[in-house]
Amino acid sequence: AQTVTQSQPEMSVQEAETVTLSCTYDTSESNYYLFWYKQPPSRQMILVIRQEAYKQQNATENRFSVNFQKAAKSFSLKISDSQLGDTAMYFCAFMKGLGTNAGKSTFGDGTTLTVKP
Amino acid sequence: EAGVTQFPSHSVIEKGQTVTLRCDPISGHDNLYWYRRVMGKEIKFLLHFVKESKQDESGMPNNRFLAERTGGTYSTLKVQPAELEDSGVYFCASSHLSGRSYNEQFFGPGTRLTVL
Repeated sequence: AQTVTQSQPEMSVQEAETVTLSCTYDTSESNYYLFWYKQPPSRQMILVIRQEAYKQQNATENRFSVNFQKAAKSFSLKISDSQLGDTAMYFCAFMKGLGTNAGKSTFGDGTTLTVKP
Repeated sequence: EAGVTQFPSHSVIEKGQTVTLRCDPISGHDNLYWYRRVMGKEIKFLLHFVKESKQDESGMPNNRFLAERTGGTYSTLKVQPAELEDSGVYFCASSHLSGRSYNEQFFGPGTRLTVL
């Protein structure tokens, strides 16, 4: 079974600064995907960024980037130039890529990020 | 294109009552997943439909929970009778079914269930 751990229940950052959210996971699978989802207050959860385990290059999406350390099973999210709209709950998630239960996601507890003006 | 929708957005019921949650996936998405987040903890998988068939229901907590997806379109999740520990947010997600190993899951806004 897979586990995902987010050790920071709450974080805050000043607008325009950079913040890093931590995530570690445990799995014996070799083919998998890692995700960061964002859920703003009272709104839908949306995908922020995705990383395929077989890719060594870290994924980036505009101001969002990840530091994927496969051997250490670490998958942190860096948000640069933080904006007020980044205030949300962030979930780290694992998805097995192939075989039985592929597509089923395992989530961490979430990190509440507050961007302060 | 309409996203995943869930109804109701909130439900407050008393212990012992029955509640039915509904999820309408994105049109054409054969995969449908139910998850729930209880007591501010992690989001946990409940079950997975492929069209109208239950592919994996290993996360269903007990036989008070019944999920259906008749016709392979919308899905319902019924809790009968509801207990206090069932309170939480129930999420639905859908994705395409294809030969690719990865298909993005799109989440609904969730139904917040409160059992008093």
